[in-house]
Amino acid sequence: AQKVTQAQTEISVVEKEDVTLDCVYETRDTTYYLFWYKQPPSGELVFLIRRNSFDEQNEISGRYSWNFQKSTSSFNFTITASQVVDSAVYFCALSDLIYNFNKFYFGSGTKLNVKP
Amino acid sequence: GAVVSQHPSWVICKSGTSVKIECRSLDFQATTMFWYRQFPKQSLMLMATSNEGSKATYEQGVEKDKFLINHASLTLSTLTVTSAHPEDSSFYICSATGTGRATDTQYFGPGTRLTVL
Repeated sequence: AQKVTQAQTEISVVEKEDVTLDCVYETRDTTYYLFWYKQPPSGELVFLIRRNSFDEQNEISGRYSWNFQKSTSSFNFTITASQVVDSAVYFCALSDLIYNFNKFYFGSGTKLNVKP
Repeated sequence: GAVVSQHPSWVICKSGTSVKIECRSLDFQATTMFWYRQFPKQSLMLMATSNEGSKATYEQGVEKDKFLINHASLTLSTLTVTSAHPEDSSFYICSATGTGRATDTQYFGPGTRLTVL
């Protein structure tokens, strides 16, 4: 069965610190997608990244970077030089392709508090 | 990316009334729409999946008579919370997948915050 685990419920850091959000997933499928979303207090989910299961290259986008390791079924997210505006709940999600549409499996989320 | 809207963004209603939430795909045809519920400080929980023109498939534990879903067109799905009670107060989010650039992922609406007094 598909499952996404975000073991860190809440993390607090001081501005400019680096922080890594962990995500571990379980799936029997060989083809799947992994996502990270940011949910600020407004509630709207903000898409950050999508990675397919065949692409294990790490990705960097500005202060954000992602480390995908199939060997450990992990898709961790690092924010370097964190800022107060990064404060939000971050969700990792897994999707597979069933009957031509994707079902999402969300982790429980990690609340990031960045203090000035 | 593709755009999904929800209306209303928030609603307050009295216990016992019914509330309808609309989810629209603005720039693509949504062959499949999903409805999620999110309680405070919790993750998104999938309630149901609907394909255009078909009956929705509800997740285990979700009352189909309580949460009526209609996906009558390729751009609109509605969720009606019937005889709402305070425990139905939650944040409801829809998402859609479909044609073109929306084929292989879900696009999420901004959510609707429901408060039942």
